[in-house]
Amino acid sequence: DSGVTQTPKHLITATGQRVTLRCSPRSGDLSVYWYQQSLDQGLQFLIQYYNGEERAKGNILERFSAQQFPDLHSELNLSSLELGDSALYFCASSAGQDYPGETQYFGPGTRLLVL
Amino acid sequence: AQTVTQSQPEMSVQEAETVTLSCTYDTSESDYYLFWYKQPPSRQMILVIRQEAYKQQNATENRFSVNFQKAAKSFSLKISDSQLGDAAMYFCAYRSGDKLIFGTGTRLQVFP
Repeated sequence: DSGVTQTPKHLITATGQRVTLRCSPRSGDLSVYWYQQSLDQGLQFLIQYYNGEERAKGNILERFSAQQFPDLHSELNLSSLELGDSALYFCASSAGQDYPGETQYFGPGTRLLVL
Repeated sequence: AQTVTQSQPEMSVQEAETVTLSCTYDTSESDYYLFWYKQPPSRQMILVIRQEAYKQQNATENRFSVNFQKAAKSFSLKISDSQLGDAAMYFCAYRSGDKLIFGTGTRLQVFP
């Protein structure tokens, strides 16, 4: 158990809908990262937050947005969902010491299926 | 742009034997980190080992070790005394700055 929690574990929805994925980082961790793992795109970095502020952006679509709240939990919002958004969405956290070798601890993921 | 390549989609090894998973990367950076992550059937991503590019000494963690060849931009993972629990997807990853870039993964099967 990494200490990172993600809810829900599974989500089934329809095209055009909007969903929110939630992540609680390890106690004391300031940085939260979101990743998407799909069959055709592999594992891709989406976005990072550090202590409530956006720190880095990866291959995140404009239909997707995220935020980190004062209690450090984070939410990833996916809107106007398409079939291709079906994937496993991971959240990871790190202490936030701002050094690239810092270990990221991954949550168990949320499996999203868009029908 | 940085890229990470894992040319072996699947590998297999007999229990107690040794297996090496390959990874190459492309970067113009001089300061970066390399990682191997394991993803078992549970889908949880678990850090196996980490290597700092400025360190010449290869990282080791118990039965896991790497062969880091900076000039060749190669970062292979050696698993010694393979165990059934080592069966998983293994991802090589590169990090410089804020982004973590993953390879496409190698599925390792371990046979008794």
